Amino acid sequence: GNSVTQMEGPVTLSEEAFLTINCTYTATGYPSLFWYVQYPGEGLQLLLKATKADDKGSNKGFEATYRKETTSFHLEKGSVQVSDSAVYFCALSGTGADGLTFGKGTHLIIQP
Amino acid sequence: NAGVMQNPRHLVRRRGQEARLRCSPMKGHSHVYWYRQLPEEGLKFMVYLQKENIIDESGMPKERFSAEFPKEGPSILRIQQVVRGDSAAYFCASSPPSRQNTEAFFGQGTRLTVV
Repeated sequence: GNSVTQMEGPVTLSEEAFLTINCTYTATGYPSLFWYVQYPGEGLQLLLKATKADDKGSNKGFEATYRKETTSFHLEKGSVQVSDSAVYFCALSGTGADGLTFGKGTHLIIQP
Repeated sequence: NAGVMQNPRHLVRRRGQEARLRCSPMKGHSHVYWYRQLPEEGLKFMVYLQKENIIDESGMPKERFSAEFPKEGPSILRIQQVVRGDSAAYFCASSPPSRQNTEAFFGQGTRLTVV
């Protein structure tokens, strides 16, 4: 079946640092890939997505590139802010009968 | 166009009572998913429904939990005889009919506390 593996947290960085959160997946066929963000006490919001190999999703300074050869979709941001503190979930949507498959989430803490 | 609506946002139940969680999908969406998020854990898939049909309930506990998505009205996740271990955030998501390779849109969640 489908699965998503992302780096364990918490990840603690200083403001303006470079961010990478790793995500790899296993899936049959050609899934779409997503990053969701969850702020404290809130539901999940779609941050960015990519629907085919070599696509780059981007939003709010975050980027992720769909790498089929390495089955990865790592999230990056060049300069993080305190307001980026949240839990980030990598997910995939395949062609099977189930819904989105999520990673366990990575808690990001940005210190001023 | 309202987003996915879940109610209540917070629900407190005593052990042994029933909990009913409601989810109204986005307009035009016919697919609903329920997820559970336990403290310090990720999202766990519970059930996937279309109107009047359960498509995949592989993530649902075998006892006490049930879900429905009737032709009219919201989707309901029902937990009978709640126990302390049921305390969690329950999230509903919906997606349009062309669900393959599309994202889902999430509600704000219902935070269930069993005392």
